[in-house]
Amino acid sequence: DGGITQSPKYLFRKEGQNVTLSCEQNLNHDAMYWYRQDPGQGLRLIYYSQIVNDFQKGDIAEGYSVSREKKESFPLTVTSAQKNPTAFYLCASSWSSFYTGELFFGEGSRLTVL
Amino acid sequence: GESVGLHLPTLSVQEGDNSIINCAYSNSASDYFIWYKQESGKGPQFIIDIRSNMDKRQGQRVTVLLNKTVKHLSLQIAATQPGDSAVYFCAERATSGTYKYIFGTGTRLKVLA
Repeated sequence: DGGITQSPKYLFRKEGQNVTLSCEQNLNHDAMYWYRQDPGQGLRLIYYSQIVNDFQKGDIAEGYSVSREKKESFPLTVTSAQKNPTAFYLCASSWSSFYTGELFFGEGSRLTVL
Repeated sequence: GESVGLHLPTLSVQEGDNSIINCAYSNSASDYFIWYKQESGKGPQFIIDIRSNMDKRQGQRVTVLLNKTVKHLSLQIAATQPGDSAVYFCAERATSGTYKYIFGTGTRLKVLA
């Protein structure tokens, strides 16, 4: 089955720790995205990648980092510099960021800072 | 756990009735729109999309209407079922040829048995 796999589903972090959220897709999509979802707000873009070895900051990139070493993988690291990291994180992909087409989403990772 | 807003507008519909969920979008230059369904603790699922050169598109039990004059999008669900209970939100692609999507905050649909 083709799709996007995010792990872990739930993650707890102590203040001052970095954590990495995994995102893997087997859809052969060029573009991948990380969004943050908070109650009462629309999804906000953290980072996106249009192609392997390339990525760009989104609207709320501060305190986050990413890599795109393989087409199918786009991990997100939440660093200690992120002041309010408790949120639901969604990874998405699309054929291309340049052409019209839906975003396919993973099942999300819920990060809680203790 | 709850992944979407605790204070979203809620639409309560009797099972078997039709549902209409509305979305006001922000950018008159947006060229592509998507409706997503999100169940609690899960990722959004694609329902239907529409391009700006259309004003109506139908899928299985769902219809999307686009009114560009007033920047309004609606999702109609026919014969609403308990499994339709979820949060629904719209997304607009703000600029043609880019990655930029703007997402609405969503509407919670509750189907009453």
